[in-house]
Order: sequence, then structure tokens, then C-alpha cells
Amino acid sequence: EVQLVESGGGLVQPGGSLRLSCAASGFTFSSYWMHWVRQAPGKGLVWVSRINSDGSSTSYADSVKGRFTISRDNAKNTLYLQMNSLRAEDTAVYYCARKRATFDYWGQGTLVTVSS
Amino acid sequence: DIVMTQSPDSLAVSLGERATINCKSSQSVLYSSNNKNYLAWYQQKPGQPPKLLIYWASTRESGVPDRFSGSGSGTDFTLTISSLQAEDVAVYYCQQYYSTEFTFGPGTKVDIK
Repeated sequence: EVQLVESGGGLVQPGGSLRLSCAASGFTFSSYWMHWVRQAPGKGLVWVSRINSDGSSTSYADSVKGRFTISRDNAKNTLYLQMNSLRAEDTAVYYCARKRATFDYWGQGTLVTVSS
Repeated sequence: DIVMTQSPDSLAVSLGERATINCKSSQSVLYSSNNKNYLAWYQQKPGQPPKLLIYWASTRESGVPDRFSGSGSGTDFTLTISSLQAEDVAVYYCQQYYSTEFTFGPGTKVDIK
């Protein structure tokens, strides 16, 4: 069974940092591109970042470019999102998602709250 | 960036009746080399992650009931629920995966009338 389990969310002050993790199981993690998508409370879905299967290529939404870094450890079957210089508008549930044609499996999400 | 719009914002349909949601992209998401539309539909219920319903504009994901269908090409797409069931109450999002930045529509909330 495919499982994606996010962790690392929490309350952080503006300007602070957090590192999210997404532990994958039930499939060959190293064969899939992976993405992060976020959803602010009561709002819609927003794509954040993606990484290719071997980690050699990444892409970011303009709103997080230069502040967030996506990475992966295929030996540990884990996806990461390093988030620096956090702002109030980064407050959201962050989902990791596996890309087949598009996002066929999603984690349950981890809540990041940026507030003083 | 490709901007996705949806209509209506919300709709209420009687049980067993048809629900239709429209999605429009600001540019074509039809890739000419393979003649595929890079358009997906997701269902999201409160407190849950999105669930993939339809991809390639009209291919139903495994396990999705056949009352859900997708149609359209280029820039205009439709999700149809042929006979609304109580468990279909949710927000529905379209998404393009044609460009590097995958963008979502704003969502359409479906309720029971």
C-alpha cells in the first residue's frame, strides 16, 4: 500500500525556519518525481515545488523561490522541504504528493503556522 | 503561468441529479506531440487530502465510480457527476500539469439541494 506521511510542521515565528519531511513507503520511491502542495486555511490548493526522481532537477513557485529548498534521500525514501524566512502567508497545510501522470497519491498533510 | 478558472463557485444538486462543473485554462493544455490534455480533476472532502478522480482530461482513476466523467480539450473542460450521491459532497478542483508550475482552479463546492 502506498503511504506518504508528512511531519515537521508546527508554530514558527516570522523569519524563522522549518524542515518538513515526507516518508514514503509501498512503492519504489526513487522512480517517482515528488511535489509539495500547500493549502492555506479555508483556501484552495497551491503548488509549491517539485523534484525529479534522482534529485538533480528542482522547480519552485515564484512565491517561495529563494526561501524554500526541496530535496530527497532515496536511500531513506524521504522527501524534504526546507523552509526559511517564513512569512505569515506561508501558513498552510503542506502536502507531499507522488506524481505519476499527475498527483495520484497524497499524504495527510502537516500544518505550518507562521505567527508571532 | 497558466491560470485556471472554474464555474460555478458552488452548486447544490438534488440526490440522483446531474452536477456539472466547468474549468477553463488561460492557454491550451493540449500537447500536440501526444494529443493529450494535461488536465486533472480532484475531489477534496473536509479534513482530507485531495483525491485524484480524472487525469488526461477524461481518464478515470482506478476505483473512481463511473458516475464521474471528464470531457473537453484545449482550454475548456467539464467534470460531470451523472447521479449525485450523498458521499459526493465535496470541493472539486481542476488542475493543469502542462507547464512546470502545476496550477489549480479555485475549486467548486458541491452540496445537496
